[in-house]
Amino acid sequence: DAKTTQPNSMESNEEEPVHLPCNHSTISGTDYIHWYRQLPSQGPEYVIHGLTSNVNNRMASLAIAEDRKSSTLILHRATLRDAAVYYCILSLSLAGGGADGLTFGKGTHLIIQP
Amino acid sequence: SAVISQKPSRDICQRGTSLTIQCQVDSQVTMMFWYRQQPGQSLTLIATANQGSEATYESGFVIDKFPISRPNLTFSTLTVSNMSPEDSSIYLCSVLRGRWDTEAFFGQGTRLTVV
Repeated sequence: DAKTTQPNSMESNEEEPVHLPCNHSTISGTDYIHWYRQLPSQGPEYVIHGLTSNVNNRMASLAIAEDRKSSTLILHRATLRDAAVYYCILSLSLAGGGADGLTFGKGTHLIIQP
Repeated sequence: SAVISQKPSRDICQRGTSLTIQCQVDSQVTMMFWYRQQPGQSLTLIATANQGSEATYESGFVIDKFPISRPNLTFSTLTVSNMSPEDSSIYLCSVLRGRWDTEAFFGQGTRLTVV
């Protein structure tokens, strides 16, 4: 699997937008970009995924660079509950679902200040 | 969504013993996986649990140490055998409802401490 690079930690204030970057310069044409987050003492949970176009869902937005070598997860209005480790993951599967399992990097520890 | 129940949620075990972790899903799923999360680290895939056949192990993990069963489409077990303190980790079960699904679901994990 291609490698991703994320900052070790980021800090933001409550009710402000948060932009979490991810670099994946060796991404292949069939790699989907997935984001998961792990809240304290819980298993990871799916946030969003995309291939080429920007994506929005109820949790977040995913902005993908035109060359696909980087992406940004956007939390539009952070709450204390968004404090978690955020993982950017590339999947080789055409379906993007990680049918072969997911390869987690170190992720970004997001700290939200009240 | 898929609701995953893992048992036990935590345990403290003596070195040299074995522990079997259960993963029960509230609906039939196609794919089941087991991950390990060592203290302060990220998740590492141990294996894919295959129904009716031997699990598919990732590099660095072997069947003798981590035997896995998957008797049906809703249940799997992971055994951590002949434990040592280095096996102290959180073990997580994960599922995909359909092989081409794009959202994986995870259990809460089993926190294992080996003394």
